[in-house]
Amino acid sequence: QKEVEQDPGPLSVPEGAIVSLNCTYSNSAFQYFMWYRQYSRKGPELLMYTYSSGNKEDGRFTAQVDKSSKYISLFIRDSQPSDSATYLCASYPRGGSEKLVFGKGMKLTVNP
Amino acid sequence: EPEVTQTPSHQVTQMGQEVILRCVPISNHLYFYWYRQILGQKVEFLVSFYNNEISEKSEIFDDQFSVERPDGSNFTLKIRSTKLEDSAMYFCASRDREGYEQYFGPGTRLTVT
Repeated sequence: QKEVEQDPGPLSVPEGAIVSLNCTYSNSAFQYFMWYRQYSRKGPELLMYTYSSGNKEDGRFTAQVDKSSKYISLFIRDSQPSDSATYLCASYPRGGSEKLVFGKGMKLTVNP
Repeated sequence: EPEVTQTPSHQVTQMGQEVILRCVPISNHLYFYWYRQILGQKVEFLVSFYNNEISEKSEIFDDQFSVERPDGSNFTLKIRSTKLEDSAMYFCASRDREGYEQYFGPGTRLTVT
């Protein structure tokens, strides 16, 4: 079974906190890892993507991949109330696949 | 910034009726997708489309579903005979030839009564 599992939520933090969101994937064939943000009843909005192990930074967001432990993370620094949304991790289950497999999503609330 | 658009935003239909959901992918993108999300559940892949043919489909995408690119800009999903369990958000996505990132539209909420 080729799955992406995501930490259950919801998560509530105060404004300014550092947020850590995590996912695991089921086997090493998974490639290209993406993080999407989804507001209620809206489409997933691509935040970050990465291929290799290591960190990738974009403003307040850092995506981290550890292929040896099949673990992906998204860190949000200086969280804002506007970051309140559901965060989805996604990946391709194998090379050549067109299908993105999604985690269930973590609902984040940042309180002012 | 270019974006994927979808129409209608909400469609209500009776069980057994045919529906067509429409999408306009980002203009220079070559790969097109449909996903669905039943309320409270994961986003699920339905089908991918490239070079005017289906390149991959899930077990959900049975004979009741079809996709078409009728012209150079639109991409459609047809459900021939809707069932109650087809009620969901349907998302269109696209990507270009170079990258692997898929860009999603705002979705069509399909309600089957």
